[in-house]
Amino acid sequence: DTEVTQTPKHLVMGMTNKKSLKCEQHMGHRAMYWYKQKAKKPPELMFVYSYEKLSINESVPSRFSPECPNSSLLNLHLHALQPEDSALYLCASSQESAQGTIGRYEQYFGPGTRLTVT
Amino acid sequence: AQTVTQSQPEMSVQEAETVTLSCTYDTSESNYYLFWYKQPPSRQMILVIRQEAYKQQNATENRFSVNFQKAAKSFSLKISDSQLGDTSMYFCAFVNAGGTSYGKLTFGQGTILTVHP
Repeated sequence: DTEVTQTPKHLVMGMTNKKSLKCEQHMGHRAMYWYKQKAKKPPELMFVYSYEKLSINESVPSRFSPECPNSSLLNLHLHALQPEDSALYLCASSQESAQGTIGRYEQYFGPGTRLTVT
Repeated sequence: AQTVTQSQPEMSVQEAETVTLSCTYDTSESNYYLFWYKQPPSRQMILVIRQEAYKQQNATENRFSVNFQKAAKSFSLKISDSQLGDTSMYFCAFVNAGGTSYGKLTFGQGTILTVHP
């Protein structure tokens, strides 16, 4: 079962609100990713978690705060966002496998959360 | 740094015909993987096909196949017998397999494919 789920599907929030996005996978993957995607553009990597530890932060503003409570769950906490943060937020996961083997790099994506900041 | 170029922003094809989407990449690495993802209007990114750089044989998944030319750094996607459900944005992606961290995918800018009845 290659499924990554994300909730909510849509989110509208004001610039002073605090909200969270949730991502869940039950494929036994040990790497999880957050991406931001603007319309008709490729996804941009934000964060990578490996074995529940943050391994990559692509210089994302602190108003985005990731959390990985366990190997199946990934959250993205949002606070004091700007209108330009409106985008599709995608979660992805990949296997834990030996370096150089394809499972480590083959990412499976969730359906995304469409975020609108007003 | 790696770059991925998709030179066709938009393409269209008639149902049942064949279409080829182009992708070129630039890297100095020798160990890497290449992927094609599709993103329908429903927005979920779906892995279409993968290619290991060390394999000379072109990957095939049902109606989808690739033409991998390693020396030319080209990785085109051929869709045979196009179906209306193939209408999507298609992204070519590269990942370096030689690093110590999990894969950072480098995406091309995407090609919007429309299949007409």
